Amino acid sequence: DVKVTQSSRYLVKRTGEKVFLECVQDMDHENMFWYRQDPGLGLRLIYFSYDVKMKEKGDIPEGYSVSREKKERFSLILESASTNQTSMYLCASSLHEAGRGEQYFGPGTRLTVT
Amino acid sequence: AQTVTQSQPEMSVQEAETVTLSCTYDTSESDYYLFWYKQPPSRQMILVIRQEAYKQQNATENRFSVNFQKAAKSFSLKISDSQLGDAAMYFCAYRSGNTPLVFGKGTRLSVIA
Repeated sequence: DVKVTQSSRYLVKRTGEKVFLECVQDMDHENMFWYRQDPGLGLRLIYFSYDVKMKEKGDIPEGYSVSREKKERFSLILESASTNQTSMYLCASSLHEAGRGEQYFGPGTRLTVT
Repeated sequence: AQTVTQSQPEMSVQEAETVTLSCTYDTSESDYYLFWYKQPPSRQMILVIRQEAYKQQNATENRFSVNFQKAAKSFSLKISDSQLGDAAMYFCAYRSGNTPLVFGKGTRLSVIA
């Protein structure tokens, strides 16, 4: 079974803090993704990566950055957390090939910025 | 840009009954894939069912089936013999080539005992 893990289920940070959200997958997937999920807005793509050291902006990259130094690990960084970044963050991974390209999700990190 | 629309923010169904969740999408591609994902309360999102656009036959997975109407760009999910464990957020998603999934905003399904 594919396993996608995220470093924390719940996180509380203060405004202005630098926040790291870590995601690890164990199935040698090329693609990795970060989404945020908010009620009524569904899942919105923040950043994604097709390979090590590669990154692409999604729909809402402002205020975020990412790092992918190893194939299995994809980190989301909030350089200076703000209250409007309070949300559920979901990591996902998939193979390149679209035909087998369903995304597998981690359990999510619920981040609260106070 | 591709878009996915789920027009029913919330739905409810009686246990053991059948419910259909709607999804429409917009694309100019001819080769693509469609998915339904389930997110139970406070639990991980999992894949329910997938459909390849080039296949005319509708996908089925046990009690879950889809009605794929390619010309109408419609992809509905039917849940038969609904169970309490089916209560969840359901997301419709689209993918073409090696691109990220495009998700709808979701439908919250409640199952009434």
